[in-house]
Amino acid sequence: DTGVSQDPRHKITKRGQNVTFRCDPISEHNRLYWYRQTLGQGPEFLTYFQNEAQLEKSRLLSDRFSAERPKGSFSTLEIQRTEQGDSAMYLCASRPEPGQANTDTQYFGPGTRLTVL
Amino acid sequence: GQNIDQPTEMTATEGAIVQINCTYQTSGFNGLFWYQQHAGEAPTFLSYNVLDGLEEKGRFSSFLSRSKGYSYLLLKELQMKDSASYLCAVAGGYQKVTFGTGTKLQVIP
Repeated sequence: DTGVSQDPRHKITKRGQNVTFRCDPISEHNRLYWYRQTLGQGPEFLTYFQNEAQLEKSRLLSDRFSAERPKGSFSTLEIQRTEQGDSAMYLCASRPEPGQANTDTQYFGPGTRLTVL
Repeated sequence: GQNIDQPTEMTATEGAIVQINCTYQTSGFNGLFWYQQHAGEAPTFLSYNVLDGLEEKGRFSSFLSRSKGYSYLLLKELQMKDSASYLCAVAGGYQKVTFGTGTKLQVIP
């Protein structure tokens, strides 16, 4: 168990550029979440995958945001035409499927810190 | 929707006990989490309460009252390393987890 990993850890981009982040969950976890966190706030839910299916998506997620989990393993989060307001920490978390040990626990990755200039 | 309230900041003395409260109003409820988050790091799981009552794990305990929409996290024998933000989060309908803004705890000598 190597934990949840995210890549890159830091990303600086210019306004208007597209960025893509990757999350590798714990291998036996079929549930995956994306969150966004700004300074002084708690994580804000963005979207949820069960295996490869995107089952829930926040209304806060504009059309510029898209997430995929094509094979039910790693996931990507893409932001198109970035804006300064997108600057935040993007956190990925995974969770075991129901019936497994610790099924109620979300295990967070280290996050990707995005700065939009 | 979900509304979660917790104090913004608290200060406590090393070796003491501190209680961090959380109240919530939700359209659905499947359980309540507490997470610890050190500055610049990802949240780490502390506890998950589904039923009313107190659950103890070493120096940390978590309490839930579903009828009152209330929970608290109790930290005993405070250590300097306990200085962190403590996040209350509610698992609502389906798989969505809603976090509060967090309580920043400062432990002083």
